[in-house]
Amino acid sequence: EIVLTQSPATLSLSPGETATLSCRASQSVITYLAWYQQKPGRAPRLLIYDASKRATGIPARFSGSGSRTDFTLTITSLEPEDFAVYYCQQRSDWITFGQGTRLEIK
Amino acid sequence: EVQLVESGGGLVQPGKSLRLSCAASGFTFDDYGMHWVRQAPGKGLEWVSSISWNSATIVYADAVKGRFTISRDNAKRSLYLEMNSLTTEDTALFYCAKGLTTVRTADSLDIWGQGTMVTVSS
Repeated sequence: EIVLTQSPATLSLSPGETATLSCRASQSVITYLAWYQQKPGRAPRLLIYDASKRATGIPARFSGSGSRTDFTLTITSLEPEDFAVYYCQQRSDWITFGQGTRLEIK
Repeated sequence: EVQLVESGGGLVQPGKSLRLSCAASGFTFDDYGMHWVRQAPGKGLEWVSSISWNSATIVYADAVKGRFTISRDNAKRSLYLEMNSLTTEDTALFYCAKGLTTVRTADSLDIWGQGTMVTVSS
């Protein structure tokens, strides 16, 4: 089973700042990595797939990068609605999720 | 509108069974792999099971293997999860999700339902 480790567990930033979230895989997942946003009481929303492709309707301030074992989700010019929990997910060896990063308002 | 609506959750005693359903609309259901993902209260996302468009490929997480059975009825545009020998560790919100593409079963998940809560308690 491929284990995904996200860091940091919690990130405290202010609106307008840039968030950098990390996801590390226990073995190569090539670029088969996705990012999701989840707000309280809501289902997850797909943001990025295949490491760097934005899903339909996702604003350009969300971007993904990385390959093999190290991946980054970057959110520039944070908006109030961006404060949420973010998960990474690999599809190289079936499906596993990271444990999540909570992005909170500072 | 593309939509997934889960049902069938509830309170069940340990050792008992429950069947979840997911009704799909707004897309060609039998083109896509489908998935169940769960989330225990206050915890992260955990993949449970996946099924290919034609049911030829079915995979389970180790935590549910041998106890849960995923299935689909393309004519009814529905996905199911039969859960047996439930334990308190299975208490979670269960989401149905659609695969992003038509070309693979292990996929990113682009459409999610609102979830159905399963509580296992005596």
